[in-house]
Amino acid sequence: DAMVIQNPRYQVTQFGKPVTLSCSQTLNHNVMYWYQQKSSQAPKLLFHYYDKDFNNEADTPDNFQSRRPNTSFCFLDIRSPGLGDAAMYLCATSRDQEGGGTQYFGPGTRLLVL
Amino acid sequence: GQNIDQPTEMTATEGAIVQINCTYQTSGFNGLFWYQQHAGEAPTFLSYNVLDGLEEKGRFSSFLSRSKGYSYLLLKELQMKDSASYLCAVRDSNYQLIWGAGTKLIIKP
Repeated sequence: DAMVIQNPRYQVTQFGKPVTLSCSQTLNHNVMYWYQQKSSQAPKLLFHYYDKDFNNEADTPDNFQSRRPNTSFCFLDIRSPGLGDAAMYLCATSRDQEGGGTQYFGPGTRLLVL
Repeated sequence: GQNIDQPTEMTATEGAIVQINCTYQTSGFNGLFWYQQHAGEAPTFLSYNVLDGLEEKGRFSSFLSRSKGYSYLLLKELQMKDSASYLCAVRDSNYQLIWGAGTKLIIKP
């Protein structure tokens, strides 16, 4: 089945220790998104890629970076995690942004910062 | 600014019908989405409305009125597994999704 996969499902890191979350997709979608979601809040878009074009949200901290080496994979790097970065990180994909813009989500990675 | 309003929490009885409302104020409109999210899991796509009217999909239906900036999600024959948060999201003129905070639906036997 075509799907969006995130690894790991749970990640524990220490304050200030870099961490990388990964996302892969078999849908061959052009667009990949990273969201941060805290308990009982709306998902917050961090950035997205349209193919290789990177689009950063204005209020995404510099501490968050992303890489998309190919169509299938996208990574979220948190350079120096703080306690406030503990959250669920959601990867989503869409075929494009206009007519085929329905976003499909991976299962998420829950990040705990100690 | 852009915002999406939906009730924080609703309670309903197994077997009953519930309507979850969503009102929006966005810069432009290119469609409205409803997602279901179980606790600790990722959102899953339920429905998409871009024209006014009712879209029916099994036990779930979604309605849109663009002139009123209003949508609702109707869930029929409620089952315990329908206990989840329901997120309303609107795609604006830049094709960005603006998300509501979600409505937590509690189903009681």
